Amino acid sequence: GESVGLHLPTLSVQEGDNSIINCAYSNSASDYFIWYKQESGKGPQFIIDIRSNMDKRQGQRVTVLLNKTVKHLSLQIAATQPGDSAVYFCAEKARGYNQGGKLIFGQGTELSVKP
Amino acid sequence: DVKVTQSSRYLVKRTGEKVFLECVQDMDHENMFWYRQDPGLGLRLIYFSYDVKMKEKGDIPEGYSVSREKKERFSLILESASTNQTSMYLCATRVFTGGSYEQYFGPGTRLTVT
Repeated sequence: GESVGLHLPTLSVQEGDNSIINCAYSNSASDYFIWYKQESGKGPQFIIDIRSNMDKRQGQRVTVLLNKTVKHLSLQIAATQPGDSAVYFCAEKARGYNQGGKLIFGQGTELSVKP
Repeated sequence: DVKVTQSSRYLVKRTGEKVFLECVQDMDHENMFWYRQDPGLGLRLIYFSYDVKMKEKGDIPEGYSVSREKKERFSLILESASTNQTSMYLCATRVFTGGSYEQYFGPGTRLTVT
């Protein structure tokens, strides 16, 4: 079946540095990916998404890169701030009939920002 | 703004009790989801619903059931709670606009079964 995995469960960066959070997926036919941020005590919040017909997509201070050759996805956060401290999840849309937009989530990476 | 609310933030129940977790959304979305979240395992899908009275099993449906009698409300039921169901439970609703499959999440219910 499909699976999504993150390379590192934790990541610590200095305030002002750029952060890179990585994710690998198993299904080469996957066509949609999404990143979520979950702050302590809250539900996950949408950050950015990308379709497989794109290699890169940019948002406000965030960039998602998709490398379909090696089935790898990354989230880059520019000028990381203390408010970026959270757990970050990547997810892919499940393939197949009758999946109702089901998302398959990775295990999450906890980002800590040092002042 | 989409609002997804869950009936309780924290819940403590005893083994064998029947437990109801309620989720309500205010945006008339057809699709709703129940996940559980455990450390190191990410979010795992328990059940989802396409529309009223429709439901589909997710990846870990054992020990759970669901009910969707009204479009805005999706209930997760633990028929006989067990300690291994101690977890964070998250409800989500799906909006499909412009090719996005974004799901909106509620704040979660932390359930402890003793």
